[in-house]
Amino acid sequence: EVQLVESGGGLVKPGGSLRLSCAASGFTFTNAWMSWVRQAPGEGLEWVGRIKSKGDGATTNYAAPVKGRITISRDDSKNMLYLQMRSLKVEDTAVYYCTARDMGYWGQGTLVTVSS
Amino acid sequence: QSVLTQPPSVSGTPGQRVTISCSGSNSNIGGNTVNWYQQFPGTAPKLLIYSDNLRPSGAPDRFSGSKSGASASLAISGLQSEDEADYYCAAWDDSLIGYVFGGGTKVTVL
Repeated sequence: EVQLVESGGGLVKPGGSLRLSCAASGFTFTNAWMSWVRQAPGEGLEWVGRIKSKGDGATTNYAAPVKGRITISRDDSKNMLYLQMRSLKVEDTAVYYCTARDMGYWGQGTLVTVSS
Repeated sequence: QSVLTQPPSVSGTPGQRVTISCSGSNSNIGGNTVNWYQQFPGTAPKLLIYSDNLRPSGAPDRFSGSKSGASASLAISGLQSEDEADYYCAAWDDSLIGYVFGGGTKVTVL
């Protein structure tokens, strides 16, 4: 069974940083392209960014609203995906979902609240 | 303003067939496959349709997807009360170099 478990969310002040983690199991993580998707309260889904597998160069792509402020990385030895966020803004407040395989599998999400 | 355009809401009576449209452009739907997601309040989205018209294991066969040009549709045949949820379309966008979503459609069973 595929499982994606996010952690690391919480309350952070504007301008602060936060690192989210996603523990993956139930599939071959090494070969998987992984994405982060977020959903602001009461709003729709927004793709945040993606990292390809190491075999495909571990290339990253980021959405325009977060480019330059986030870094997506992976540790294949631990089956872990990370989202490092910096210079956080109030509008980054959202539930952040870890997804796998072209967004075919989703975690339960972790809430990030940016507020003073 | 979402890149993909969906109606905010659709409604139907039990047993009815309803469709949700998703309109895009050549850089997304016109050139890449479409996924559809179902989301209940307070829960994570779940894949309902992938590669335009394929159902993952466990997805009810009353859900079907289609695509023509730069538009896609999700049909629910034999609408049931448990189908009340939000539905989102998504596709890769070659110009934006990222996934784009529709704004979501709330399905109400009358």
